[in-house]
Amino acid sequence: GQQVMQIPQYQHVQEGEDFTTYCNSSTTLSNIQWYKQRPGGHPVFLIQLVKSGEVKKQKRLTFQFGEAKKNSSLHITATQTTDVGTYFCAGPWIQGAQKLVFGQGTRLT
Amino acid sequence: NAGVTQTPKFRVLKTGQSMTLLCAQDMNHEYMYWYRQDPGMGLRLIHYSVGEGTTAKGEVPDGYNVSRLKKQNFLLGLESAAPSQTSVYFCASSFTTPGTEAFFGQGTRLTVV
Repeated sequence: GQQVMQIPQYQHVQEGEDFTTYCNSSTTLSNIQWYKQRPGGHPVFLIQLVKSGEVKKQKRLTFQFGEAKKNSSLHITATQTTDVGTYFCAGPWIQGAQKLVFGQGTRLT
Repeated sequence: NAGVTQTPKFRVLKTGQSMTLLCAQDMNHEYMYWYRQDPGMGLRLIHYSVGEGTTAKGEVPDGYNVSRLKKQNFLLGLESAAPSQTSVYFCASSFTTPGTEAFFGQGTRLTVV
């Protein structure tokens, strides 16, 4: 089974409110990726984090990789209707693994 | 540049029928993946391939077979379809190890009745 927990599973916000989704692993990750899937669409790559404590920003989106490289978060400031969709974290949850495995996703409405 | 193309986009099967889903990529990617997506379950890895002629099992491989005879194509087969295989199937590809961006196809919506 999956070795990562993504929370919350669902989140409903009013336009203009902030939104955060978390990805937690029991094992150390070599890197983590984030994807967005619009309703009826396919997952689209957003960003990859590699370094411990790394923080990256894309306009209103802020991505963070934990110091221990076991967790990550995506924060959206002042949500807009274009942010609606499901956000997934993904990675090789075992060091050196060749398969790309996804978290359960957080659906933002 | 087509990227990742899946065929067909929609299909309805009767229980026990077989079918093959085709994934084709034109980016010269080494890695290819098949996922299924069910409500509340996220994307679950069925099988994957790290290069031409290789395949490996993912999280939910039972009931599926795959082949990667050519680098650009990754086929997913259902030998005897079951209603539990009703799902949306996504193919993805990436250059090398899962530390690079994966590109997804548009998906195949399969219904088994």
